[in-house]
Amino acid sequence: QSALTQPASVSGSPGQSITISCTGTSSDIGAYNYVSWCQQHPGKAPKLIIYDVTTRPSGVSNRFSGSKSVNTASLTISGLQSEDEADYYCCSYTTSNTVVFGGGTKVTVL
Amino acid sequence: EVQVVESGGGLVQPGGSLRLSCAASGFTVSNYWMHWVRQAPGKGLVWVALINGDGSNTNYADSVRGRFTISKDNAKNMMYLQMNSLRADDTAVYYCVGDFPWGQGTLVTVSS
Repeated sequence: QSALTQPASVSGSPGQSITISCTGTSSDIGAYNYVSWCQQHPGKAPKLIIYDVTTRPSGVSNRFSGSKSVNTASLTISGLQSEDEADYYCCSYTTSNTVVFGGGTKVTVL
Repeated sequence: EVQVVESGGGLVQPGGSLRLSCAASGFTVSNYWMHWVRQAPGKGLVWVALINGDGSNTNYADSVRGRFTISKDNAKNMMYLQMNSLRADDTAVYYCVGDFPWGQGTLVTVSS
């Protein structure tokens, strides 16, 4: 199972909105609405911020939103803040009854 | 409070075994699919294994199939990962994850 494709880095200025893409295939992202996103600050454990494509866990800022179109999922961060500077990973359940992750995207706040 | 706490990591020699535990509180593990995910030093997240709510469905990444076994004890609200025939490339922080707050992980180091 190949990894999902994410851009290596995305940057934006405070207050702007940025979108991170996560491209898969009809065997993973395109097959189910089981895409999750997590945020990881340097030296910290990853934190779940989106599951089932669009659902935010309790306590996660509504500045984070998820969406999906065909085989590509997206994470949008609106009103970018310095604390959003971190690595972001997408993952998806697959038709092989496995889970596949993206390679991660480093978000830089300019 | 909804949380999971991983434990059981440590230093082990190549070929050795470890059992990781994931203790859940604030939710019932029998209602959730759960996974082990690992992260080698300086690398990205990699899925290791999954188990469904009642434990009837399990699956593994090719790199660990036949060596690792995932299980649940719904009565104790726990999930486990039995790791045998450990190799140096199994060295990583292991996380217990699902549609709930993820834990801090437990470090497994395989080295002689």
